[in-house]
Amino acid sequence: AQSVTQLGSHVSVSEGALVLLRCNYSSSVPPYLFWYVQYPNQGLQLLLKYTSAATLVKGINGFEAEFKKSETSFHLTKPSAHMSDAAEYFCAVISSGGYQKVTFGTGTKLQVIP
Amino acid sequence: ETGVTQSPTHLIKTRGQQVTLRCSSQSGHNTVSWYQQALGQGPQFIFQYYREEENGRGNFPPRFSGLQFPNYSSELNVNALELDDSALYLCASSLAGGPGGYTFGSGTRLTVV
Repeated sequence: AQSVTQLGSHVSVSEGALVLLRCNYSSSVPPYLFWYVQYPNQGLQLLLKYTSAATLVKGINGFEAEFKKSETSFHLTKPSAHMSDAAEYFCAVISSGGYQKVTFGTGTKLQVIP
Repeated sequence: ETGVTQSPTHLIKTRGQQVTLRCSSQSGHNTVSWYQQALGQGPQFIFQYYREEENGRGNFPPRFSGLQFPNYSSELNVNALELDDSALYLCASSLAGGPGGYTFGSGTRLTVV
């Protein structure tokens, strides 16, 4: 079974500072990896996805993530945090097999301090 | 291109009752998945429907059931509601066979009292 682990359930950064949200995956086959964002009382919005093309993936709202096979990581970064980035972020992996099930991490809440 | 729409957005039910949640998939998508997100947790996979049949299920009891219709819309039914069923229920649609990712609806907030 494939899984993802998000390190840090809460992360606080100052406005304008670097955002780094950590995600490590476990997979016996090349995975498809995703980052989703969830604002309060809303559904999930896809930020970016890795599907075995370029290892550096650029997403919406200035976010990007780098797939590192040697470290089994897919960390999410943004050079400069905005207040509007405050939300919960989920790393996710698609499992292989007869159907595609998205397995989510436990989430990281990002707080942006003015 | 329409996104995924879910209804209702909120509802309150009494323990022991039954509930039906509805989902319209994104145009062009033929697979629908349902997730339960308890407060403060990540979404948990309930099941997936493709071609009107369940083709994958998570660790949920049989009182959680679903349907998919020819137009790819879907229903989630929960019988004999328990207090722990209180959660945000998310529907996601996708195109079978592609790793393009899932499009999620805004969810239905179910409260069981």
